[in-house]
Amino acid sequence: AQSVTQLGSHVSVSEGALVLLRCNYSSSVPPYLFWYVQYPNQGLQLLLKYTSAATLVKGINGFEAEFKKSETSFHLTKPSAHMSDAAEYFCAASRSGGYQKVTFGIGTKLQVIP
Amino acid sequence: NAGVTQTPKFQVLKTGQSMTLQCAQDMNHNSMYWYQQDPGMGLRLIYYSASEGTTDKGEVPNGYNVSRLNKREFSLRLESAAPSQTSVYFCASSDGQGVRNTIYFGEGSWLTVV
Repeated sequence: AQSVTQLGSHVSVSEGALVLLRCNYSSSVPPYLFWYVQYPNQGLQLLLKYTSAATLVKGINGFEAEFKKSETSFHLTKPSAHMSDAAEYFCAASRSGGYQKVTFGIGTKLQVIP
Repeated sequence: NAGVTQTPKFQVLKTGQSMTLQCAQDMNHNSMYWYQQDPGMGLRLIYYSASEGTTDKGEVPNGYNVSRLNKREFSLRLESAAPSQTSVYFCASSDGQGVRNTIYFGEGSWLTVV
């Protein structure tokens, strides 16, 4: 069964510091991977997605993620945190199975300290 | 451009009451979903509809029913609400069953069952 593991349910960084949110996937076949962001009291919106075209994926708001098959990882990074980055981030993996089966991680809440 | 719209945003129910969550999308998407979000659990799929006229169970369907009224609308019904169904519910849609598709989410419905 496919699973997605996000290490750290809460991460705190100082404004201007590097953001690193970890995601590992478990699958015999590399799935298609996504990062979604959820701002307070809102729905999820796509940050970026890996679809095998390139291992380094750039998303919105300066975020990027690198797919590493050898480590089964898809960590999300941003060089310099901004206060507006405070949100919850979900890693997700998608595979076919009659419908678009998406498995979400439990989420990581990012706190940005001024 | 509204995207995915769901109503109501907040609802308090008494145990045993019934209610329907409404959802509509204006992106001409074929696939629609209902997810449940609980702290520490990520998002879990309740029901999905791969296309107009079809619906199928997801991971946690017990206690819920759905109707795909037309291509735009996908409703979720709680026939006899239980406190365990206190949660945040998200309607979502995507363009078909492809694994690379972005899933677009509504803003959520906060349901409390007392």
